[in-house]
Amino acid sequence: EPEVTQTPSHQVTQMGQEVILRCVPISNHLYFYWYRQILGQKVEFLVSFYNNEISEKSEIFDDQFSVERPDGSNFTLKIRSTKLEDSAMYFCASSDSGIGELFFGEGSRLTVL
Amino acid sequence: SQQGEEDPQALSIQEGENATMNCSYKTSINNLQWYRQNSGRGLVHLILIRSNEREKHSGRLRVTLDTSKKSSSLLITASRAADTASYFCATVFIGGDKLIFGTGTRLQVFP
Repeated sequence: EPEVTQTPSHQVTQMGQEVILRCVPISNHLYFYWYRQILGQKVEFLVSFYNNEISEKSEIFDDQFSVERPDGSNFTLKIRSTKLEDSAMYFCASSDSGIGELFFGEGSRLTVL
Repeated sequence: SQQGEEDPQALSIQEGENATMNCSYKTSINNLQWYRQNSGRGLVHLILIRSNEREKHSGRLRVTLDTSKKSSSLLITASRAADTASYFCATVFIGGDKLIFGTGTRLQVFP
């Protein structure tokens, strides 16, 4: 069964460092998302991406965050200068429609020291 | 905030019992979805109910939707220890193209 894959599964970084989280969405999907979850609590929307551009972003997704689809398969989330409060689980998801079922990856745990 | 609220926050039951989780939301929706998350893992889609539907079944899952009360419930019948997980409702608001997740219910099923 097709699945969304994310790398790395866990990354530890120093405050102020840049981090890139990678995702390979399901191949025929057109809508891509990043969510984050702090300490197993609420799942927060960060950004949605469609047709090679951001379609919507939350207040969390400030200038320190960016997304890119550098080729036909990868979808990346970059955090330019990490803060302690960026420590969280980051989930990538994809969908074949903007309003249907989302398929999630297993997440990338980011720890900022 | 558009985020939904779920209750209870945590629920502990014995195997074989039914588990009911409730979700309330604030704005008119296109659809409402339920997801499951095992500890430390990704979210898995369980069921989607559209705004013009009132009830939907999938195996041991039954979902109801009351758009007049802006609420939904997820019933898991004949629960098993393997049902232990967190359950989240998520809504797609009219005109939107993203899912907004509720606060989640942690379900523990004791064997």
